[in-house]
Order: sequence, then C-alpha cells, then structure tokens
Amino acid sequence: KAGVTQTPRYLIKTRGQQVTLSCSPISGHRSVSWYQQTPGQGLQFLFEYFSETQRNKGNFPGRFSGRQFSNSRSEMNVSTLELGDSALYLCASSPRGGLNTGELFFGEGSRLTVL
Amino acid sequence: DAKTTQPPSMDCAEGRAANLPCNHSTISGNEYVYWYRQIHSQGPQYIIHGLKNNETNEMASLIITEDRKSSTLILPHATLRDTAVYYCIVSASNSGYSTLTFGKGTMLLVSP
Repeated sequence: KAGVTQTPRYLIKTRGQQVTLSCSPISGHRSVSWYQQTPGQGLQFLFEYFSETQRNKGNFPGRFSGRQFSNSRSEMNVSTLELGDSALYLCASSPRGGLNTGELFFGEGSRLTVL
Repeated sequence: DAKTTQPPSMDCAEGRAANLPCNHSTISGNEYVYWYRQIHSQGPQYIIHGLKNNETNEMASLIITEDRKSSTLILPHATLRDTAVYYCIVSASNSGYSTLTFGKGTMLLVSP
C-alpha cells in the first residue's frame, strides 16, 4: 500500500510569490491534515480536510489556504510568500478522520525555501 | 489540549531499553496519550497510543500511571535506527478532527 505522497519535495521561491503543494493520501483515507515545521516553532497544525470540507484550522494568516478534491487529494497554497514561510510542510492522512483512530500517516514533506 | 513535558534529550546504549518519560498532569478524562517519533528529515511516525491501560505493539510499550498524570514509552531493545525526536502528545478523541499539538519532544540518541 502506497504511503502519503507529497510533491514537490523541494522548492525555492522568492518573496511575494505564491506556492502550491500537493498531497495524495493513502488510498481509502478521507482525512488530510497539513502541518508546518520550522526550527523555531516546531510542528504546527495548519488545517484539516475531510470529505472536501475544511473541518479545523490552526492559527495561521489567510495567506495559507487549502482544498481537498473528491478523490481525497489535497493541495495547500501560500500566497505572498514571506521569508518566515520557509519550512517543511507536512501532510498527514487518516482513515476515518477522528483522533480515536490513533494514527496519522505522514508524508515526507515539501521543503520550501523563500529567498 | 493538555500540555506535556518531556526532557529535551536522552542517551541510550544500543541493545538496552530506552525509557522515555512524559508528564501530562492536566490531562482530561477523554484525552488519549499518543507517541510519535521523527527521524531527521522525515515525516513523523506513529508509535503507539493509550487511554489508561498499558499498551504494547511491535514497536514499543506504553506505561500510563494510574492517575494518568505521566507515562513512559519503552523501546525494549534500542537500535541505532531508533535515534530520533520522540513526541508525547495528549489529545481528545471526540473532536472528530485529525489534529495533533506537537511539543518540542525528546531527542533520543542511541549509541553503539
């Protein structure tokens, strides 16, 4: 069974640009959540989607957005990039969308560098 | 979500048991204890979780105190590949959301 796939794995952007990251969850998983990881702030929750609906959102500005498609694949977008957006962006999928599943399956992440 | 306290780093000799402590003194009755680990430059990996009973799987054992204010993750025979940051997380299961609040974790270094 294929794991969570994130693309691209690495990318470099400049300030003011926008970026779109993609996440393909494990087949059959309907919940996809996104996290940002930086050395200073650690792992922080961005948002979670279940059946194409955003169910929960972390404390990030509106420049960070996402969506989920009918096949459960998800994208996140960051507009007007800032230097502080440089981070590892991680996607995780879950089979039933509830914490009582006990397990989130994480991808390898997309490492974004903003110059 | 309740906060957790973990030591920033620990060392363990290869082949010995690694015992990673976690304090969660403000845990609520409906909150589970989860353990994840993150090997350098990889995504976090689920290890184990529990509510109040001790749990064991092929990776580790989780011991939760009777008052549920602390827990210990046990890797019975640590290997070099177990070197990673280990996160202890407490979170309710009834929110219906697949979200976790990660702290700073414990950096476990397994040496030969």
